[in-house]
Amino acid sequence: NAGVMQNPRHLVRRRGQEARLRCSPMKGHSHVYWYRQLPEEGLKFMVYLQKENIIDESGMPKERFSAEFPKEGPSILRIQQVVRGDSAAYFCASSPRLAGQGDGYTFGSGTRLTVV
Amino acid sequence: EDKVVQSPLSLVVHEGDTVTLNCSYEVTNFRSLLWYKQEKKAPTFLFMLTSSGIEKKSGRLSSILDKKELFSILNITATQTGDSAVYLCAVEAAGNTPLVFGKGTRLSVIA
Repeated sequence: NAGVMQNPRHLVRRRGQEARLRCSPMKGHSHVYWYRQLPEEGLKFMVYLQKENIIDESGMPKERFSAEFPKEGPSILRIQQVVRGDSAAYFCASSPRLAGQGDGYTFGSGTRLTVV
Repeated sequence: EDKVVQSPLSLVVHEGDTVTLNCSYEVTNFRSLLWYKQEKKAPTFLFMLTSSGIEKKSGRLSSILDKKELFSILNITATQTGDSAVYLCAVEAAGNTPLVFGKGTRLSVIA
């Protein structure tokens, strides 16, 4: 069991470019959560997805950010026209159960996005 | 809005010391409180607490929940340099809602 796989581990983008972050959940997990972590800050919830559905996107900025979890393939967090303030570590977690019914999530190792 | 507050934000101790990390919370329809350890990368699960007064223990780490006063503590005895990490507290509400995290406590254990 490979765990939650995120790639790339590090991503550098110039201001105005697009960033695509990928997350493959653990085998058998159909619930995916994206969190953002700024230096010296905790994990801030962004979006919760199940296969082909966005369940809760209340933590995601309305503009430039989007997420998907297609029937086949990894979940993608897309940031268009990146700005310096988007620089952060983005963590993905997966769970086999509905949020609120499990013993926590399994986290990936994160993608560190740097916008220059 | 659900809220999790951890204290202290950072802590430096010597090997062998005992530390207590605090987590207070406000959440609607509380289901559980979780502790994670985060070193350089992925947070790793430590404990899940659902009932007041029942201590969870794993080696030198232990944790307990007080649902009346809305807080939890994480104790680490005989600390080692390998305990240096950020310790994150999160709460889980009933229903289809994601975990809400505190800012974490950065623990540094020096030899």
